[in-house]
Amino acid sequence: GENVEQHPSTLSVQEGDSAVIKCTYSDSASNYFPWYKQELGKGPQLIIDIRSNVGEKKDQRIAVTLNKTAKHFSLHITETQPEDSAVYFCASTYGNNRLAFGKGNQVVVIP
Amino acid sequence: EPEVTQTPSHQVTQMGQEVILRCVPISNHLYFYWYRQILGQKVEFLVSFYNNEISEKSEIFDDQFSVERPDGSNFTLKIRSTKLEDSAMYFCASREGSYGYTFGSGTRLTVV
Repeated sequence: GENVEQHPSTLSVQEGDSAVIKCTYSDSASNYFPWYKQELGKGPQLIIDIRSNVGEKKDQRIAVTLNKTAKHFSLHITETQPEDSAVYFCASTYGNNRLAFGKGNQVVVIP
Repeated sequence: EPEVTQTPSHQVTQMGQEVILRCVPISNHLYFYWYRQILGQKVEFLVSFYNNEISEKSEIFDDQFSVERPDGSNFTLKIRSTKLEDSAMYFCASREGSYGYTFGSGTRLTVV
C-alpha cells in the first residue's frame, strides 16, 4: 500500500515567519494530494489540495508544491499567525481514492 | 458550510462490549468512509461505502467491524466485542465526487 512520510514532526516558528512541511509518498499512481489542518477537539479540515497535473497551487498565505518525479510535496505557510498553530497532515490517494496520511506535524507559532 | 456530524464525541466502554459509532454525512455526498487514529500514530483507512455496500476495506476491518446505512442519512460503525487496542479516534468522512473529503470531528473511543 501507499506509504506517506511527513517531516519534521514538530515545527516552531516566530509569528510572521514562514513554515514549510514536507511529505514524501511511495505510490507513483497517486494523483491527489490534500493537506489537512486539525485543531484540538476537531476533525481534519481540508486547507488546500493539489492534483498531479499541476506543480503548484496557492491560496492566500498557503501554497502547496508537488514534484511527481521525486514523489514529494510540500506545504508552505507565509506570514504565520498564532491561529496557524495546529497539527497539519499531508495525505495522498491510493487504490480507489483511499487516503494515506502522514503522521502529522505540530506547528507552533510563537507570538 | 455543510458538515459531517459524529456522535458521541467520547465513548468509554468495557472490554468485550459492543459499541456503535454514528455519523451523519453531508446529504448530497455519495461516498462514505471510516478512518481511525490510534494515539501517536497515523490516521488509517478502515472502510469505504458506496451505493449501500462496502466498496473497500483494509486489513484492520475484520469480522469484528461492520458498517451500515440504516435510514438513508445515518452511517454507523459497529465494533463487536471491543478490545483494548480498539481505543482510538474514529473519523467518519464523506465525499461527493472524485476528491474533496469532508471529515467529522471524530469519536474518541476508550476501551477499559
